[in-house]
Amino acid sequence: AQSVAQPEDQVNVAEGNPLTVKCTYSVSGNPYLFWYVQYPNRGLQFLLKYITGDNLVKGSYGFEAEFNKSQTSFHLKKPSALVSDSALYFCASSRWGRDDKIIFGKGTRLHILP
Amino acid sequence: EAGVTQSPTHLIKTRGQQATLRCSPISGHTSVYWYQQALGLGLQFLLWYDEGEERNRGNFPPRFSGRQFPNYSSELNVNALELEDSALYLCASRSRDRDNLPYSGANVLTFGAGSRLTVL
Repeated sequence: AQSVAQPEDQVNVAEGNPLTVKCTYSVSGNPYLFWYVQYPNRGLQFLLKYITGDNLVKGSYGFEAEFNKSQTSFHLKKPSALVSDSALYFCASSRWGRDDKIIFGKGTRLHILP
Repeated sequence: EAGVTQSPTHLIKTRGQQATLRCSPISGHTSVYWYQQALGLGLQFLLWYDEGEERNRGNFPPRFSGRQFPNYSSELNVNALELEDSALYLCASRSRDRDNLPYSGANVLTFGAGSRLTVL
């Protein structure tokens, strides 16, 4: 069965420090992986995706993520955190196929401390 | 370009009643997804429609149903409301892939702001 795990409910990082939000996946075949961000009282916004090719994916707002097939992980990273990065982050997976469910993790709340 | 719009923004119902939520996708998008975001549970997949057909549904009871109209807008109906149905319901739309197939997982979802349903 397809699943996405975000092991941390909350991550606290000081402004200016690097941040990592963790995601692991379980998908048969080759996965498509995504990160979305949700700001208060708003829908989710797309950050970045991995489809194929280079394992390091760069996205919006200076975020990047690294696809690691052996560890089945797709961690979100940013070299220097901003207070405005504080939000709820969701990892998601899908695959090509007729049953194309797009599955999301439970989300990780990121707090950037000034 | 207008984004994904959802209505109503807020809805308050009592147990046993029915709720109807509506979604208008981005122009040109044929697929509509519905998700439930309940506190602490992340986004739970509810339903996926494409070209008027239900393509897949999540692990929800049959009292959660919906449909997609010829203009690709969609509605979600929840019958016999229970307290635990209180949640933010998010709609998202997506275009078909370059081969005009509905089931490419590579395309990005565009979400609406959601409809918050409160069941008392």
